[in-house]
Amino acid sequence: EDKVVQSPLSLVVHEGDTVTLNCSYEVTNFRSLLWYKQEKKAPTFLFMLTSSGIEKKSGRLSSILDKKELFSILNITATQTGDSAIYLCAVSKWGGSNYKLTFGKGTLLTVNP
Amino acid sequence: NAGVMQNPRHLVRRRGQEARLRCSPMKGHSHVYWYRQLPEEGLKFMVYLQKENIIDESGMPKERFSAEFPKEGPSILRIQQVVRGDSAAYFCASSPAPISGANVLTFGAGSRLTVL
Repeated sequence: EDKVVQSPLSLVVHEGDTVTLNCSYEVTNFRSLLWYKQEKKAPTFLFMLTSSGIEKKSGRLSSILDKKELFSILNITATQTGDSAIYLCAVSKWGGSNYKLTFGKGTLLTVNP
Repeated sequence: NAGVMQNPRHLVRRRGQEARLRCSPMKGHSHVYWYRQLPEEGLKFMVYLQKENIIDESGMPKERFSAEFPKEGPSILRIQQVVRGDSAAYFCASSPAPISGANVLTFGAGSRLTVL
């Protein structure tokens, strides 16, 4: 069975800290790994990673994929209170059902002022 | 340009009642996907619909759950005779075309069902 495991499950930091969120996966026919940010509204897309070792970056957020070791990390530098959210990791597969994302349980990040 | 709209945002039902959750996809999107997030669990795929067609319902519970996406109007996820285990957040996503390449699912804010 396909599996996505995120760690830690929750994390509390102070504004300005740097955090690293982890996502490991076991899936057949891996296609891509996606990160979403879930606040009290729609999960919003952050990154899609398909190739190992290529960092994706958006402002203070960055992410990288290791297809050999089957994991990805999401880094957030100089955290702000607005970064408080649940960060979701999901994987998609090759084949006819690439809309069937397998999600991890998420990491709840709390950034305190 | 409104995103994926779901309503109601919160719904409370007693055991045995019916729940109807609605999803209006983004403008120009004709593909709709429903996911369920049980407490302490990740989102899980339920069903994929195009207008008037169910493409893949492999994630739907075999009984009491149904989904439709009529030619006009929103997609509806219907849960009959709800039980406490149906309490969850139900998310809808849409896409303009079948997911491929760099397309990603755009999610709505979810409908949170509580069964008393």
